[in-house]
This record gives sequence, structure tokens and C-alpha cells, in this order.
Amino acid sequence: EIVLTQSPATLSLSPGERATLSCRASQSVRSYLAWYQQKPGQAPRLLIYDASNRATGTPARFSGSGSGTDFTLTISSLEPEDFAVYYCQQRSSWPFTFGPGTKVDIK
Amino acid sequence: EVQLLESGGGLVQPGGSLRLSCAASGFTFSSYAMSWVRQAPGKGLEWVSAISASGAGSYYTDSVKGRFTISRANSKNMLYVQMNSLRGEDTAVYYCAKGMSGDVSNWFDPWGQGILVTVSS
Repeated sequence: EIVLTQSPATLSLSPGERATLSCRASQSVRSYLAWYQQKPGQAPRLLIYDASNRATGTPARFSGSGSGTDFTLTISSLEPEDFAVYYCQQRSSWPFTFGPGTKVDIK
Repeated sequence: EVQLLESGGGLVQPGGSLRLSCAASGFTFSSYAMSWVRQAPGKGLEWVSAISASGAGSYYTDSVKGRFTISRANSKNMLYVQMNSLRGEDTAVYYCAKGMSGDVSNWFDPWGQGILVTVSS
């Protein structure tokens, strides 16, 4: 099973600041990595797939990069609605796995 | 607009069974893979099972193999998961999620609102 590690666990930032979230895989997942956003009481929402492709409706301030074992989700300038938990997920091999999440909260 | 509506959750005793359903609308259901993903209270996300568009292929996470069965009725736009021999660690919100294509290996977009399953005596 591929283990995904996310860092940091919590990121405390102010609106307008840049957020950089990391996801590391225990073995190569090629580019088969996605990022999801989850707000309290809501279902997760796909933001980025195949490491760098924005899903329909994802604002341009969200960008994904990386391949192999190291990936980054960048939010260029935080909006109030961006404070949430972010999960990475791989589909390179079964079983699909998620990282433990990074909580982006308001400083 | 794509809509996914889960039903069938609730309280069940350890060792019991439950069948979750997911009613899909707003897209050609028979053309897309579907999955179940769960989230234990206050915890992260865990993929449970996936099924191809035709229903011919399915996969499970190890902890539910032999206990859960995913299925679909394309004529009814319905996704199911039959959960047997339930354990306390199966307590979670269960989400159904649509794939981005018919391939069983797929991303999850979008998700339903989720349904709570509680396994407790």
C-alpha cells in the first residue's frame, strides 16, 4: 500500500498570503495524484487531478505540481473561503490512498 | 447538474448488515465508474471500493474485502454497497463519488453529501 504523508499538519495564515502544502508518497505514483478540499460539514471537492490539472470550477489561484513522490499544492493568495482541510490522494496502485490532510486555518 | 444522494445508513449492531444506496442524476450513469469513500468521525478519508461503468470490474480496500460488496444498477441509475459482518471500525460517514470516466481507476468528482453508519451495541 502506498502511504501518503502531508505536511504541515496545520498551516496558519492570513487572507492574501500564499499557502504551500506538501504531499509525499512512499513510492512513485507517477502523476496519479489529486488534491481535495473539505470544509466542515461538507463533502470533499476535487481541486486538482493528475498532479497539475485544475478540476472544473477550481479557481486559478490553486495550482498543483510534482511527479513521482513529491507534490505541492499552492494557493497563490488565500481567500476567506479557502480555509479548509486539504487531502492528497493517489490512484497509481490499489488500494487508493489518501494523505492525513493539512488544515489551513486563519492566523 | 450532477447529483448523488446516499441513503440506507443508520445504527446497526456489530456483526450486522446494512445496504447503502446512492441515487445518481444529471449525467449518463452507465458511462462512469463510481466509488465509495468513508470518513470516520473526526478522521481523514478512506477509499472503500470502486466499480467500473459496466460493473464488470470492482476493487476493495483490504479491511472490507469479503465483507462488503459494491454493485450498480445502470438501468436505475443506482449504486449500492452491501455491508456484512459490520465492526465498530466501520463507523463512518460514507460518501458515494462519481468517476471522471468509465475506467474503474479514477478520480472522485463530485461526491454525495454522505450518510452516517454507526456500528454499536
